[in-house]
Amino acid sequence: VVVTQSPLSLPVTLGQSASMSCRSSQSLVHSDGNTYLNWFQQRPGQSPRRLIYEVSHRDSGVPDRFSGSGSGTDFTLKISRVEAEDVGIYYCMQGTHWPRTFGQGTKVEIK
Amino acid sequence: EVQLVESGGGLVQPGESLRLSCAASGFTFSTYWMSWVRQTPGKGLEWVANINRDGSAKDHVDSVKGRFTISRDNAKNSLYLQMSSLSVDDTAVYYCAREDSVNSCDYWGQGTLVTVSS
Repeated sequence: VVVTQSPLSLPVTLGQSASMSCRSSQSLVHSDGNTYLNWFQQRPGQSPRRLIYEVSHRDSGVPDRFSGSGSGTDFTLKISRVEAEDVGIYYCMQGTHWPRTFGQGTKVEIK
Repeated sequence: EVQLVESGGGLVQPGESLRLSCAASGFTFSTYWMSWVRQTPGKGLEWVANINRDGSAKDHVDSVKGRFTISRDNAKNSLYLQMSSLSVDDTAVYYCAREDSVNSCDYWGQGTLVTVSS
């Protein structure tokens, strides 16, 4: 399953919102009825950190500025009120089909 | 606190072998599936392999099948990746990651760099 993210680069102003897209080549609805679409944040020099699982569920400790939405093959990660610590690359990953696959990432930078 | 610490990376020549290790702590290792994921500047993040709780079931991505083998030792709280017939395309940072119940990885190690070059 090919996962395609856009845009690849996203300059944002501090305090403004940012939105990025993730599209899959096949539906991510699993036979069990769940949709295994995740979002990861990778800050410079760090390992990936999961923010969102199953489309819209925030991991523990993730600020509520981060929200995920979507269904089927189209998904969105939104960051409201962007802060300096949000700089990094954001990856979506599908866990519905084997092998699990990642998008190429959206790089968020401050204008 | 969950901790995953990889080791074993380094510089090797094409065709050589290498064994990566991941020491887990802060959780009951034997009750979780585990994975290896790698990252290259060119190809991004790629899922390499995963293994079930007792090591009886494992799966590898096609690009490494027959060359890499994932394994674990629950008595030592350790995950391994045996890599053989390495090529320059295997150059990457290799991450050990814990799998949760939603077909994903909730914790990642800091990674270990494998460089394959002559």
